[in-house]
Amino acid sequence: EAGVAQSPRYKIIEKRQSVAFWCNPISGHATLYWYQQILGQGPKLLIQFQNNGVVDDSQLPKDRFSAERLKGVDSTLKIQPAKLEDSAVYLCASSLGVGKYKTNEKLFFGSGTQLSVL
Amino acid sequence: QQPVQSPQAVILREGEDAVINCSSSKALYSVHWYRQKHGEAPVFLMILLKGGEQKGHEKISASFNEKKQQSSLYLTASQLSYSGTYFCGTGLLIAAGNKLTFGGGTRVLVKP
Repeated sequence: EAGVAQSPRYKIIEKRQSVAFWCNPISGHATLYWYQQILGQGPKLLIQFQNNGVVDDSQLPKDRFSAERLKGVDSTLKIQPAKLEDSAVYLCASSLGVGKYKTNEKLFFGSGTQLSVL
Repeated sequence: QQPVQSPQAVILREGEDAVINCSSSKALYSVHWYRQKHGEAPVFLMILLKGGEQKGHEKISASFNEKKQQSSLYLTASQLSYSGTYFCGTGLLIAAGNKLTFGGGTRVLVKP
């Protein structure tokens, strides 16, 4: 079974530049998550999709971050413009999303994109 | 609403036991445990649900104390492969179990 695919693996940009990350979840998984993991900390949920609808984006800095999952499959997370504090690993995860309660389903994580903002 | 994990770090000798705790100030519906090795993605270990039983994964087991809103992960007879950072993720009852929030992690180092 193919896992969650993410690209690029690494990205280095200057502050105020733009960057985009791509994620392809496991086939058939309805729920997709983007997490931000700052070095030494736990993953922080940025946005959660159920198919192509947003379930939670309460911690997404909407003035600079945007995300979409147009066809309910793959997803793109964008940062524009980037700040130094955006340096982190951006993890995409997916789960089946078939039940009423999403947190009783295990998450499958991708390898992440390590972003360095200089 | 972020769960609090303790200890922040632990160093073990191969074969020793350890306990990692995860506490929440809110009523919990579910607790997840994941292990992340350096530079890799977090890997699922187990889920504990409100009203559910204690779970196990090889010699790693976990319990869920609903009264205390706390979960504990037990590393028994630790192996070198158990090294990594362990994260708990909690789903709150009030949020209808839709959002998983991770703790800050516990770094585990198992030495020969």
